[in-house]
Amino acid sequence: GAVVSQHPSWVICKSGTSVKIECRSLDFQATTMFWYRQFPKQSLMLMATSNEGSKATYEQGVEKDKFLINHASLTLSTLTVTSAHPEDSSFYICSASSGTSSYNEQFFGPGTRLTVL
Amino acid sequence: AQSVTQPDIHITVSEGASLELRCNYSYGATPYLFWYVQSPGQGLQLLLKYFSGDTLVQGIKGFEAEFKRSQSSFNLRKPSVHWSDAAEYFCAVGASSGYSTLTFGKGTMLLVSP
Repeated sequence: GAVVSQHPSWVICKSGTSVKIECRSLDFQATTMFWYRQFPKQSLMLMATSNEGSKATYEQGVEKDKFLINHASLTLSTLTVTSAHPEDSSFYICSASSGTSSYNEQFFGPGTRLTVL
Repeated sequence: AQSVTQPDIHITVSEGASLELRCNYSYGATPYLFWYVQSPGQGLQLLLKYFSGDTLVQGIKGFEAEFKRSQSSFNLRKPSVHWSDAAEYFCAVGASSGYSTLTFGKGTMLLVSP
């Protein structure tokens, strides 16, 4: 399958700072990227869907001004957690796909562990 | 709205024994169904998927799953578990038409005992 990387794999930051997480599709062009959040012992919760060159679509309850998503190219999407607080600590996972239908397989990155002190 | 239930949080299986992980879904029509495996430090890996046709689908690593419409289930099976199968397993459902996102179950942690 296709390879998706995330950087960094883990990050610790102080409360009030912003953190950027990168998601890259290494060997295919991802027209659609998804950002998930996973709490311990919980499922993956979709945060937003981004299509290359357009604004992201956020799920209900996700603050778009807090979780800024940019999908500027077919191989890179970024998630910026602005003014992070301890409750934002979580495991963030991205996936990349060649389309918006669930028929198009999503390839997942290894995730980024964010800890906000 | 679509939803997925994985009733077992943890399952422990002896190495060499058979395995069945349960998954029930809720969706108004025939859904697209998926099983993923998540190992520490690795991204979710697709084991198998069902879109249509034969209700018994074969996947990678010796896994198979059976779609049962009458029971709204898509249980994952493996005839003989290996220690390397220890991981977390997620069932997911997606809409079979139009724009769709995946809805995941809460996962089942598989422990393999010697």
